[in-house]
Amino acid sequence: KAGVTQTPRYLIKTRGQQVTLSCSPISGHRSVSWYQQTPGQGLQFLFEYFSETQRNKGNFPGRFSGRQFSNSRSEMNVSTLELGDSALYLCASSPGLAGARDYEQYFGPGTRLTVT
Amino acid sequence: KQEVTQIPAALSVPEGENLVLNCSFTDSAIYNLQWFRQDPGKGLTSLLLIQSSQREQTSGRLNASLDKSSGRSTLYIAASQPGDSATYLCAVCMYSGGGADGLTFGKGTHLIIQP
Repeated sequence: KAGVTQTPRYLIKTRGQQVTLSCSPISGHRSVSWYQQTPGQGLQFLFEYFSETQRNKGNFPGRFSGRQFSNSRSEMNVSTLELGDSALYLCASSPGLAGARDYEQYFGPGTRLTVT
Repeated sequence: KQEVTQIPAALSVPEGENLVLNCSFTDSAIYNLQWFRQDPGKGLTSLLLIQSSQREQTSGRLNASLDKSSGRSTLYIAASQPGDSATYLCAVCMYSGGGADGLTFGKGTHLIIQP
């Protein structure tokens, strides 16, 4: 099976702009989660989508939003970019159904976002 | 709020040594625990997943143990090789009524295996 793919891999934006990142999960996986990784805060959970619905959410401001399509592909949007949003954004997929192994997460290569 | 701590933050050992990485968590009511490795500038590679009902999991030279009651997990790497050099991350998953919560990660152990 193909792994989790993320596009674009690198992105440079200016403060105040908005950005959309894309994630395609492993075939058959219905859950997609997004994480932010920074040197200072480490890896932090943003939100999870399952069957086109946001199922869980971390502690991030409303500028961070997402959605999931019927084919399980997901997008994450960040509006009004701030310098502190510079980070590696990682997407993970899992089957997302009940049963402990069904929540095993498989990560994509990430999108490196730089805000100037 | 779940907190995950990994000790040591960095470790450098000669090739061939066996080593242990430690992970502790504050809330023992976990759903599962995963160990990952991350190479510089890359995504995360899943190494092992331990379900809450399990005590250990093995994959090749890797063995992970889980002691829920004490809030601890260890990752044992046997016969270390230079290719094992990476950052190792521990992450726990909690369960709420709507399904599994997002993973809570430790800050990682940066491992260097000297040839």
